[in-house]
Amino acid sequence: GAGVSQSPRYKVAKRGQDVALRCDPISGHVSLFWYQQALGQGPEFLTYFQNEAQLDKSGLPSDRFFAERPEGSVSTLKIQRTQQEDSAVYLCASSPGTSGVPYEQYFGPGTRLTVT
Amino acid sequence: AQKVTQAQTEISVVEKEDVTLDCVYETRDTTYYLFWYKQPPSGELVFLIRRNSFDEQNEISGRYSWNFQKSTSSFNFTITASQVVDSAVYFCALTPPSNYGQNFVFGPGTRLSVLP
Repeated sequence: GAGVSQSPRYKVAKRGQDVALRCDPISGHVSLFWYQQALGQGPEFLTYFQNEAQLDKSGLPSDRFFAERPEGSVSTLKIQRTQQEDSAVYLCASSPGTSGVPYEQYFGPGTRLTVT
Repeated sequence: AQKVTQAQTEISVVEKEDVTLDCVYETRDTTYYLFWYKQPPSGELVFLIRRNSFDEQNEISGRYSWNFQKSTSSFNFTITASQVVDSAVYFCALTPPSNYGQNFVFGPGTRLSVLP
């Protein structure tokens, strides 16, 4: 079956531009996660959705970052007024589990954002 | 606060050698879950194993084995008879169970190079 897909795969933005990154999770997966992965680092948690509810946004680095999942499936991560420190790979993951026992997450290929 | 340490930044081995990747974690939770993920050059993280804090049995899956020792807060991963296809970055991750979110904390990763 189809895995997690993300688009675009690569995005170059000039400093100050707004960007929107899309994630299509595996069909039926309730949980959706966004991570930021800087070069040579492990993924860092940004935010978590259970269906359309954003239950945890503690990892969003600033109010320039905004995520939504209005119908409980596709999710968009928006970054306003991009800065060079936003350059990273943004990973999306989904899992079938909800609360309680954390299930394994299925990751997309990521969107590599470069801010110039 | 939760933290995952992978002290080995890079490891190189020759094919057919055994290799152990170390993972040490910190948490105040009494119940928690540990994961290992593999990130091949293609970029997508691939789930390898999940272990809960109450199950200290070692696990073997083919050439892979995991040694969980709660007393030393370690969850080490061994690849026996390594192969070139094992070359990747390996991440250890930690999360508590929760009804309100699943904030996964990843370690910085260990880059494994298996040389022919």
